[in-house]
Amino acid sequence: AQSVTQLDSQVPVFEEAPVELRCNYSSSVSVYLFWYVQYPNQGLQLLLKYLSGSTLVKGINGFEAEFNKSQTSFHLRKPSVHISDTAEYFCAVSDPQAAGNKLTFGGGTRVLVKP
Amino acid sequence: NAGVTQTPKFRVLKTGQSMTLLCAQDMNHEYMYWYRQDPGMGLRLIHYSVGEGTTAKGEVPDGYNVSRLKKQNFLLGLESAAPSQTSVYFCASSYHTGGLETQYFGPGTRLLVL
Repeated sequence: AQSVTQLDSQVPVFEEAPVELRCNYSSSVSVYLFWYVQYPNQGLQLLLKYLSGSTLVKGINGFEAEFNKSQTSFHLRKPSVHISDTAEYFCAVSDPQAAGNKLTFGGGTRVLVKP
Repeated sequence: NAGVTQTPKFRVLKTGQSMTLLCAQDMNHEYMYWYRQDPGMGLRLIHYSVGEGTTAKGEVPDGYNVSRLKKQNFLLGLESAAPSQTSVYFCASSYHTGGLETQYFGPGTRLLVL
């Protein structure tokens, strides 16, 4: 079984400042890693995912994440945030060997971008 | 392409009442999922389906039932609603390649059980 811990429940940040959202996971097997974003009153949409290969993954809207196997982390970063990045961000993992393509989510991190 | 749609958007139930949430997808996805979202707990999987006519339990299945009679639809039922089932419910769907596929989410159903 896997588990995902998002270390910050809320992150306030000023517009044009950088932001980093931390995600650590626990698993006895290799996993795929995902970041999803939920804008207010909407469903989730994929930001980026790590399947294999380069540990630096680039996603939509200028976000990127780095996979660190030794630290079992998958932190999300953006060098300069906009007001429109105000949302909740979820880290998730899936087990390639398990049936059903199921995701295990972290508790989420709310990002509030201030002008 | 509507993607994933959910009906209804909002519902208020009294304890003990029943209801069915409908999810529909038009992407020809094999896999479909029902999650509940509660503050600080992320999304937790209730039930999922890997194809028409098949369903399986997720992490928090108690108090819910599901059916997948048609490939494009996935129904979530609450037979006797309890206040603990107050939550936001999300449906999602994906292709079936092992573990790496993006899940596409609906807009959610907000359920309040009094």
